[in-house]
Amino acid sequence: GDSVTQMEGPVTLSEEAFLTINCTYTATGYPSLFWYVQYPGEGLQLLLKATKADDKGSNKGFEATYRKETTSFHLEKGSVQVSDSAVYFCALRGRALTFGSGTRLQVQP
Amino acid sequence: DVKVTQSSRYLVKRTGEKVFLECVQDMDHENMFWYRQDPGLGLRLIYFSYDVKMKEKGDIPEGYSVSREKKERFSLILESASTNQTSMYLCASSPPGDLNYGYTFGSGTRLTVV
Repeated sequence: GDSVTQMEGPVTLSEEAFLTINCTYTATGYPSLFWYVQYPGEGLQLLLKATKADDKGSNKGFEATYRKETTSFHLEKGSVQVSDSAVYFCALRGRALTFGSGTRLQVQP
Repeated sequence: DVKVTQSSRYLVKRTGEKVFLECVQDMDHENMFWYRQDPGLGLRLIYFSYDVKMKEKGDIPEGYSVSREKKERFSLILESASTNQTSMYLCASSPPGDLNYGYTFGSGTRLTVV
């Protein structure tokens, strides 16, 4: 069945550091891929998405590129801020959204 | 903005109780979903519904049931609550047909079963 694997956290970075959170998936065909973010005490919010191979999703300085050769959708940001501290979830769309286990990001001033 | 509202933010129930978790969305979405979120496990799909009176089992339906009598409301029912059902429960909705559309989530209900 469908599955999503994310790097384990927490990831701790200093402000303005470069961020990469790895995500790989297993699925039939080429599903749409998503990154969601969950800020403390809140529900999940859609951060970005890509619907086909080589698509790049971007939002709020975050980017991720759909790589079908490596079945990956890694999340990147060039310069993180304290306000980016949250849990990030990678997901794919099969019959419903299938999520990874989440990666907690902590950004220190 | 699409709003998905979960009736309780925090809930404490006793083992063996029948528990109802309510979810309402205001954007006329056909699709609704219930997930539970546990540390290290991410979100796991319990049940979902593509239309009124319709339901499908997700990946972990055991110990749960659902009800969808009206389009805007999707209820999750714990028939006899157990301590291993202590978790954060998240409801979500989406419009029909477009597999490229993401979901809109509620803020969650943190259920503790004692």
